[in-house]
Amino acid sequence: QVQLVQSGAEVKKPGASVKVSCKVSGYTLTELSMHWVRQAPGKGLEWMGGFDPEDGETIYAQKFQGRVTMTEDTSTDTAYMELSSLRSEDTAVYYCATRAAAGFPQNFDYWGQGTLVTVSS
Amino acid sequence: SYVLTQPPSVSVAPGQTARITCGGNNIGSKSVHWYQQKPGQAPVLVVYDDSDRPSGIPERFSGSNSGNTATLTISRVEAGDEADYYCQVWDSSSDPLYVFGTGTKVTVL
Repeated sequence: QVQLVQSGAEVKKPGASVKVSCKVSGYTLTELSMHWVRQAPGKGLEWMGGFDPEDGETIYAQKFQGRVTMTEDTSTDTAYMELSSLRSEDTAVYYCATRAAAGFPQNFDYWGQGTLVTVSS
Repeated sequence: SYVLTQPPSVSVAPGQTARITCGGNNIGSKSVHWYQQKPGQAPVLVVYDDSDRPSGIPERFSGSNSGNTATLTISRVEAGDEADYYCQVWDSSSDPLYVFGTGTKVTVL
């Protein structure tokens, strides 16, 4: 059983950066392909990027290229998502998500509880 | 990018059957996954690979996929099924790689 516990809510000003963490238990981070999905208030789900275990690279959605960085600390089994140059449209709940199976997941059966990031002046 | 279209809302009486569609170009050639999301909670996978159910998901949840439409069917609907439902596909030739549907609000009357 995978458990994903995310860091708490954040309030940031436009232009700032935010870094959200996702602590894994039940598995090690090296056994998983971690991904990040966000959801703006009242809106749908949007995939931002994730780790491709087949080539060891992180793949980002083109929409976020250049503004998002996803990293992992395997010593603490914690994944991080950092989004820079924040604007009001980035106000959303950010989820880490994964599948408890080897390889690149086609779906996500484990999700963190979500982290609300509010961007406001 | 690949687009998945869902009806904004579906209303159903308790005990009846709810059907939620997910339209996409030749979606029948892809594996479709479905998530249930209740207010203030993270999504939960309820159907994967068109018609398989994760452990713990009631048999009342089933799926099908053919042509340009995938369907999530909820039989014998209960009040606790009221939620938003999203379809999702993975497309290695698409950006983004993971595409979610527009979402459907299921209301139990």
